[in-house]
Amino acid sequence: EAQVTQNPRYLITVTGKKLTVTCSQNMNHEYMSWYRQDPGLGLRQIYYSMNVEVTDKGDVPEGYKVSRKEKRNFPLILESPSPNQTSLYFCASTEGVSGELFFGEGSRLTVL
Amino acid sequence: GQNIDQPTEMTATEGAIVQINCTYQTSGFNGLFWYQQHAGEAPTFLSYNVLDGLEEKGRFSSFLSRSKGYSYLLLKELQMKDSASYLCAVRAPTSGTYKYIFGTGTRLKVLA
Repeated sequence: EAQVTQNPRYLITVTGKKLTVTCSQNMNHEYMSWYRQDPGLGLRQIYYSMNVEVTDKGDVPEGYKVSRKEKRNFPLILESPSPNQTSLYFCASTEGVSGELFFGEGSRLTVL
Repeated sequence: GQNIDQPTEMTATEGAIVQINCTYQTSGFNGLFWYQQHAGEAPTFLSYNVLDGLEEKGRFSSFLSRSKGYSYLLLKELQMKDSASYLCAVRAPTSGTYKYIFGTGTRLKVLA
């Protein structure tokens, strides 16, 4: 089954404790991206990647890092989480031609 | 700048027809997408327009006018399960690749 898998789905953590949200897709998509969704602000792009070892900043990259060492995986790293990073995070991928984004189920992160 | 506008909320009755409008101002255009998102879930793809005109897919249709920066999503024969948020998104070229810019979403309530 074609899917994008994110982990963890839910996480409560404390300020400053490094965490990683994993994202994996099994569709051999080249393009992957991370979004955060906040009430009244919609989906905002954090980082995206066109292919292995090719990543670029989206609209709200501050406080986040990513890596793309393998085509299927695109982890999101919060080196020192802060309360303003409390949000619902989505990973998505696309083959690029049709452009339809396939989303993971979301990761709800709370930073205390 | 990049801007996508859509109404925050709409209400309609089961069995009726509803039109959700979206206007956009982006630097470049490479397609317009509509996604459905139920509360707490991931967005799912509904439709894609890259050329002017109407695309029909069952009870859902989407229209695009590139010269006006305007799109709408038309939902016919509304069902209770159509109660969800509807996200308008534009794919725009950037730095040799593309990015997806989302509107804040329209929350549709379908009443019995």
